[in-house]
Amino acid sequence: AAGVIQSPRHLIKEKRETATLKCYPIPRHDTVYWYQQGPGQDPQFLISFYEKMQSDKGSIPDRFSAQQFSDYHSELNMSSLELGDSALYFCASSASGGASYEQYFGPGTRLTVT
Amino acid sequence: AQTVTQSQPEMSVQEAETVTLSCTYDTSESDYYLFWYKQPPSRQMILVIRQEAYKQQNATENRFSVNFQKAAKSFSLKISDSQLGDAAMYFCAYRSLYSGAGSYQLTFGKGTKLSVIP
Repeated sequence: AAGVIQSPRHLIKEKRETATLKCYPIPRHDTVYWYQQGPGQDPQFLISFYEKMQSDKGSIPDRFSAQQFSDYHSELNMSSLELGDSALYFCASSASGGASYEQYFGPGTRLTVT
Repeated sequence: AQTVTQSQPEMSVQEAETVTLSCTYDTSESDYYLFWYKQPPSRQMILVIRQEAYKQQNATENRFSVNFQKAAKSFSLKISDSQLGDAAMYFCAYRSLYSGAGSYQLTFGKGTKLSVIP
């Protein structure tokens, strides 16, 4: 079965640079969630989209922005990167606007800021 | 806001034995979902088991079962016949049943690192 695809899997950036993370949800899934997991931490919700509209916002810095496109893939744009942005970024997708209880997680993108 | 607490940062179990991981949560909602996720060294988040709060029957998935105590806001995970492949970080997570904004974000606990001793 198709799973959530995230690219790139690993990304190394320097401070003050910009990064773009991509997420391709499971086919026919209309809802995408982004989570950030710092070293030794639990995942923290950043932002979600339903039918290409932002549906909720968590602890996402103003330096970050995201969107969902017409094909339902999503991109997380991160600017003015800081050392503290080094983390594993998960994308998850679900169907039916999220009412379906299960979120399927991608493998994550490991971002390292040096 | 909901909070999820896992009071055991680390636990260990002998292979083939049984272990129980604890989770408590705080919410003012009456209907919600609870989950246990497993995160092995690969860091992939894998759903282990889910429980709907409106169901009294405890969920079971093969060797994994939960003890859901709604009044006590407790949601523990029991792993029977532990295997080496069960070694991982386990996260308890909460999700609202209803969301006016259309978002069903997960709120995670801090996790419990489970080691399996051969």
